[in-house]
Amino acid sequence: AQSVTQPDIHITVSEGASLELRCNYSYGATPYLFWYVQSPGQGLQLLLKYFSGDTLVQGIKGFEAEFKRSQSSFNLRKPSVHWSDAAEYFCAVVRSGSARQLTFGSGTQLTVLP
Amino acid sequence: SAVISQKPSRDICQRGTSLTIQCQVDSQVTMMFWYRQQPGQSLTLIATANQGSEATYESGFVIDKFPISRPNLTFSTLTVSNLSPEDSSIYLCSVEEGGQGTEAFFGQGTRLTVV
Repeated sequence: AQSVTQPDIHITVSEGASLELRCNYSYGATPYLFWYVQSPGQGLQLLLKYFSGDTLVQGIKGFEAEFKRSQSSFNLRKPSVHWSDAAEYFCAVVRSGSARQLTFGSGTQLTVLP
Repeated sequence: SAVISQKPSRDICQRGTSLTIQCQVDSQVTMMFWYRQQPGQSLTLIATANQGSEATYESGFVIDKFPISRPNLTFSTLTVSNLSPEDSSIYLCSVEEGGQGTEAFFGQGTRLTVV
């Protein structure tokens, strides 16, 4: 069964600093990978996704992620963090089989300091 | 992209009662998914709801506790029965578009507090 690991429970960065959120997956085949953001009291919003092709994926709000098969990683990056980026970030992978439910990582809480 | 309306957005319920959560989508979708997010935790899939058939439940979730209806291709309900404080969570409805899991859309969630 596939699994997703987000090793960092909580990350604090200063506004304007760069950001990298880590995600590792365990999956037997080529995965479909996603990053979602959840702001307080909100649902989940898709930041970006990877299915195939170019391993560097651009998303919304200035985020990007790089798929590295050799490291089983799909880390999320942003060159300059804004205070509005403070939220919870979830990495997810689509399950195998006929259904397409998502398996989520445990999430990383991002705090942005002024 | 699909727009999902979930009601209620939050509720406080007495233990032993039930809460029914509604999920309305602005387009027809084959599968709808219900997730639970316990306080400070990630999302866990409860069940997959297909129109015209019984929902498929994940390990640890049973129909008696979480009955689901799916009367048509745009609507589903999740009932959380015989509430206990451990059921206090955010419950989210999700739909998938594009085939092959190309994108999943989520409702705003229902924050349930059981007292």
